[in-house]
Amino acid sequence: QKEVEQNSGPLSVPEGAIASLNCTYSDRGSQSFFWYRQYSGKSPELIMSIYSNGDKEDGRFTAQLNKASQYVSLLIRDSQPSDSATYLCAVNYMNTGFQKLVFGTGTRLLVSP
Amino acid sequence: EAEVAQSPRYKITEKSQAVAFWCDPISGHATLYWYRQILGQGPELLVQFQDESVVDDSQLPKDRFSAERLKGVDSTLKIQPAELGDSAMYLCASSFTLGNAEAFFGQGTRLTVV
Repeated sequence: QKEVEQNSGPLSVPEGAIASLNCTYSDRGSQSFFWYRQYSGKSPELIMSIYSNGDKEDGRFTAQLNKASQYVSLLIRDSQPSDSATYLCAVNYMNTGFQKLVFGTGTRLLVSP
Repeated sequence: EAEVAQSPRYKITEKSQAVAFWCDPISGHATLYWYRQILGQGPELLVQFQDESVVDDSQLPKDRFSAERLKGVDSTLKIQPAELGDSAMYLCASSFTLGNAEAFFGQGTRLTVV
């Protein structure tokens, strides 16, 4: 079983719509969760971090965490064509005494004008 | 603005040759990661340092890959000999400390082995 799972997509949404990206993880002891945006040919850019259950909002982005369901999501409101990218979910979990940052395979988002 | 520096940005090498990548983390960041990303996949952790010590190299192909962070600051990842399957993006990231701290990536090195 993969440690961090994401639907590879592509997820296609029209401009102005809400994009919803989802991620599940396997380790119940995980404490911190991150969303990265990666444009084609570029390196990942951190856009959101979340550490406790509930919602965290930053501009057009909202991260949601449900530790009981082992589920993290990212909502992008008023999606723009410039949001078209791959979104990587990353989870920090304990591995034999130290913490390890593990990434999912990413979900490709396409926002059409 | 503080950044993770990586060089070179691009590298083309012939198989069986040696290749090295360099990374300078954000000043004050004790944790340094090397990831490999194959096209269409997520980053895969190769090695993780806390200061100068390796805390995880379980996914590092040790027969051909080596990594060091001698003074606990900048780091070098080496491949010798390179194989065709090593073609990928090699990403360096750093965080303030081990644990829940946010990790920031450098621009990466795109390696092509021919």
